[in-house]
Amino acid sequence: SQQGEEDPQALSIQEGENATMNCSYKTSINNLQWYRQNSGRGLVHLILIRSNEREKHSGRLRVTLDTSKKSSSLLITASRAADTASYFCATDLPDSGNTPLVFGKGTRLSVIA
Amino acid sequence: DGGITQSPKYLFRKEGQNVTLSCEQNLNHDAMYWYRQDPGQGLRLIYYSQIVNDFQKGDIAEGYSVSREKKESFPLTVTSAQKNPTAFYLCASSIRIWAPTGELFFGEGSRLTVL
Repeated sequence: SQQGEEDPQALSIQEGENATMNCSYKTSINNLQWYRQNSGRGLVHLILIRSNEREKHSGRLRVTLDTSKKSSSLLITASRAADTASYFCATDLPDSGNTPLVFGKGTRLSVIA
Repeated sequence: DGGITQSPKYLFRKEGQNVTLSCEQNLNHDAMYWYRQDPGQGLRLIYYSQIVNDFQKGDIAEGYSVSREKKESFPLTVTSAQKNPTAFYLCASSIRIWAPTGELFFGEGSRLTVL
């Protein structure tokens, strides 16, 4: 079962531009997380935002959460070629008890130097 | 350094063979997971374990088996019953299934190819 759905599926931008990725989900959540995956590698946790938070920052990353619309966005400012990766949102399912995170299909970001 | 180690990184299997993927963690985490990743499919949960000697099926458990005899280890066996096993397999761990931080730590993955 896939709860989160990222949009767009793929994004190509020039170095220095901002990149925005969106995640929509279906049921209530306790928190939403964003992960990054370089090609052929494992996922790395970027940031977690709780359901009672609206915005969170970490370096060049800005995450927003709108629980009324069941959506989140990840903004990467001043992108670099090294930001090229796939980005996934992941949510818990509190109404299902103690169950693992559910991941979306990801957004593939290409940053062109 | 603490982390998760998956081995082997690449594995080739003939049809009809069982193969076992190794996952070891030294983070002292209670919970461990196996995900399968296919192109364009995102991550799908195979099995997870919240504690030693206990594990639960995920969304796509058919054709797979696991064991959790030690806290540090959660090996995944891909059996001959798995009809389409070629994929990238990711092992992960977390402090608990549900925790205030909830962050998952991932290994570097094992790529299985059936010949």
